[in-house]
Amino acid sequence: DTGVSQDPRHKITKRGQNVTFRCDPISEHNRLYWYRQTLGQGPEFLTYFQNEAQLEKSRLLSDRFSAERPKGSFSTLEIQRTEQGDSAMYLCASSIRTGSGANVLTFGAGSRLTVL
Amino acid sequence: KQEVTQIPAALSVPEGENLVLNCSFTDSAIYNLQWFRQDPGKGLTSLLLIQSSQREQTSGRLNASLDKSSGRSTLYIAASQPGDSATYLCAVSAGAGNNRKLIWGLGTSLAVNP
Repeated sequence: DTGVSQDPRHKITKRGQNVTFRCDPISEHNRLYWYRQTLGQGPEFLTYFQNEAQLEKSRLLSDRFSAERPKGSFSTLEIQRTEQGDSAMYLCASSIRTGSGANVLTFGAGSRLTVL
Repeated sequence: KQEVTQIPAALSVPEGENLVLNCSFTDSAIYNLQWFRQDPGKGLTSLLLIQSSQREQTSGRLNASLDKSSGRSTLYIAASQPGDSATYLCAVSAGAGNNRKLIWGLGTSLAVNP
């Protein structure tokens, strides 16, 4: 296991199309997060899973966004009817609580979405 | 409302220099503070995590300090190398294991020139 994998790395789509991103976390990590990052900004939290349960969704996540983690392993983030404002880097991260109580995030390389 | 500020926004130094990146936060009630590195177009790599009860953490040429009372953290990079060129972000966590509530700075873009 070499870390958190995200696919595709870059997606270019036309406005109105649906896109799906996949994230494969580190296998023993039970927590999985999706963030969105636009140029020059820090990451914005989108949603969080503990095992297969989606425990929190940000208000940033409109009805066009849906995320799943069906077996508590990989996760998908789908955006329906994409808009130009959805253009961003979508980052996935996973973590597991350490003995000290910290959850150190390991990020994937991200999936860059460009909506034309 | 917690706000995180990083100064400077950009920094360019010659190879071999020791340098300090600054991160300040407005609410001292933090659980931990993390420093990340981001290469252009890439994801983030966690560098150091400092719990609120700690004063500093070290990893190789990197040393991060935390002063909760003054709302400041510094990332010290010794003997900088061109491979250190990247954007460095700090993020504070408000609660235990609360990575969904991380508050991020905008980062310092570092260029180390050979």
